[in-house]
Amino acid sequence: SQQGEEDPQALSIQEGENATMNCSYKTSINNLQWYRQNSGRGLVHLILIRSNEREKHSGRLRVTLDTSKKSSSLLITASRAADTASYFCATDWNNDMRFGAGTRLTVKP
Amino acid sequence: GAVVSQHPSRVICKSGTSVKIECRSLDFQATTMFWYRQFPKQSLMLMATSNEGSKATYEQGVEKDKFLINHASLTLSTLTVTSAHPEDSSFYICSAEGPLYGYTFGSGTRLTVV
Repeated sequence: SQQGEEDPQALSIQEGENATMNCSYKTSINNLQWYRQNSGRGLVHLILIRSNEREKHSGRLRVTLDTSKKSSSLLITASRAADTASYFCATDWNNDMRFGAGTRLTVKP
Repeated sequence: GAVVSQHPSRVICKSGTSVKIECRSLDFQATTMFWYRQFPKQSLMLMATSNEGSKATYEQGVEKDKFLINHASLTLSTLTVTSAHPEDSSFYICSAEGPLYGYTFGSGTRLTVV
């Protein structure tokens, strides 16, 4: 069964705005990963944050991790229409991964 | 919500044997299913994309004859690892794309080849 829960389930914003997606989980983790999936395509790995890290940046992406709250957030700044996709968090514990239900992001031009 | 059942969750097999992993969408029809593999401490790697009734599309570097994918119905896709070797030991996970529910992941299969 899936471990993580993303919220919101769906998010619609205008181009140029920031998008924040949250992920909560229930068990211990070695790391947490964020992925993007466009319709009909496979997952694209975005960023990995280890359990001893609190924040990571990659381009327009910013990920935070709060292990005390068992939560993570993904921030996409200055969104573009091309960012429209589903975003998933996945927890990795001893090389077993569990995915959340995902957030469907729509960026309107 | 959408549920994808993947089994077995764990399997140990001997070198040279074949192992079949099933991915089943329980309450929706999956037009497309994806198979991934994870190596230790790495992110998922897409192996192949399968569409019901047609041949799977394999990613570069994935052996078609070794990893047989069958998507015979809108609710079932199978991955068969043929003539398994210890280097095939890994975590395999499927995801299913449905018309309403977006993407849903199975719970994964831990394969150990001894």
